[in-house]
Amino acid sequence: AQSVTQPDIHITVSEGASLELRCNYSYGATPYLFWYVQSPGQGLQLLLKYFSGDTLVQGIKGFEAEFKRSQSSFNLRKPSVHWSDAAEYFCAVGLIGTGANNLFFGTGTRLTVIP
Amino acid sequence: EPEVTQTPSHQVTQMGQEVILRCVPISNHLYFYWYRQILGQKVEFLVSFYNNEISEKSEIFDDQFSVERPDGSNFTLKIRSTKLEDSAMYFCASRGQAETQYFGPGTRLLVL
Repeated sequence: AQSVTQPDIHITVSEGASLELRCNYSYGATPYLFWYVQSPGQGLQLLLKYFSGDTLVQGIKGFEAEFKRSQSSFNLRKPSVHWSDAAEYFCAVGLIGTGANNLFFGTGTRLTVIP
Repeated sequence: EPEVTQTPSHQVTQMGQEVILRCVPISNHLYFYWYRQILGQKVEFLVSFYNNEISEKSEIFDDQFSVERPDGSNFTLKIRSTKLEDSAMYFCASRGQAETQYFGPGTRLLVL
């Protein structure tokens, strides 16, 4: 069965420091991969996505993610974190060729940014 | 920029009561979804809807749940007889031909 693992429940970084949030998936083929961000009391905003092609994808707000097939990973990175990046980050997997293509989410990583 | 909207933003109901959560997907989208997020847990898929019928549903989506697209713009989730464990944030999402789903801001449901 497909699954998405975000091993870090909570990460704290200093403003200006670099960030990497981990995501691993389990699926028999290459899925569609997404990162969403959820600010407190808000909905889910799409940060970036990977469908095919270049394995390094750029998203909004200065985020990027790299798909590594050999590691079944899709880690999210940002070179310099801003205080406004404090939020919950969700990695999600969509299954290719399943029609409606519902998403499977990881448990999320809460990011705290300290001055 | 078009967005998915949901109403109400918050709803409090008594156990056993019926609730209807409403969503207005992005206008030219074809696929519609409901997800839920119990407090502190991950977002879980409930149901997908395409061409006026359910495409897929999870084991959570039992007979107490139903979805409807009553007109050209709204997409609703009905819970017939709410239970305490239905308390959650419910997200609507939609997508067009592309694979990206766009989510609404959610409805926080509290069952007392």
